[in-house]
Amino acid sequence: LAKTTQPISMDSYEGQEVNITCSHNNIATNDYITWYQQFPSQGPRFIIQGYKTKVTNEVASLFIPADRKSSTLSLPRVSLSDTAVYYCLVGDAPSSASKIIFGSGTRLSIRP
Amino acid sequence: DADVTQTPRNRITKTGKRIMLECSQTKGHDRMYWYRQDPGLGLRLIYYSFDVKDINKGEISDGYSVSRQAQAKFSLSLESAIPNQTALYFCATSDLGTGLSDTQYFGPGTRLTVL
Repeated sequence: LAKTTQPISMDSYEGQEVNITCSHNNIATNDYITWYQQFPSQGPRFIIQGYKTKVTNEVASLFIPADRKSSTLSLPRVSLSDTAVYYCLVGDAPSSASKIIFGSGTRLSIRP
Repeated sequence: DADVTQTPRNRITKTGKRIMLECSQTKGHDRMYWYRQDPGLGLRLIYYSFDVKDINKGEISDGYSVSRQAQAKFSLSLESAIPNQTALYFCATSDLGTGLSDTQYFGPGTRLTVL
């Protein structure tokens, strides 16, 4: 089971690009990297998932280096509404859903 | 996610009472999960079910039980509630879909307080 390490908290300002890095040194060959966003008193919401290189969707980009021992979630031009906790998870389908661990995440605070 | 609903949304109960939290989904997913979240912490898996006939314990199943009544319904019971079960409870669903790692879809949560 690959453990992940990410910063406890980060601060930024509206309009800036925010990059949150997650370390997963023990990632296995079949593991995917998934990021979730959670607002207070709401359930986590899927943001992006990748296996290698770069993935981009309408919300974020995910950068994964060749060794896959880390990954970086990039949020372009953040706004106040991006203030949330961001979780990095590592696991493989189909059986590991039960083993995926939500750590404490990174608490991102965006200021005006 | 409106496709995953939880009832009740808030519940206050007393120590020793039996409590049932219900989860329903219209996403057609086979997999369902129950998590609890304590203040300032991540989510911890209580139970999960990969189909109607499959029930599995998660990281913190002691003091909880579940029932998978149908593909769309997954209930969590606290047989005899205790104060340290006060937490925010989330139900989630997932489906293997295209073969990518499971993406989970969460309900709005149930805030449970045990006095």
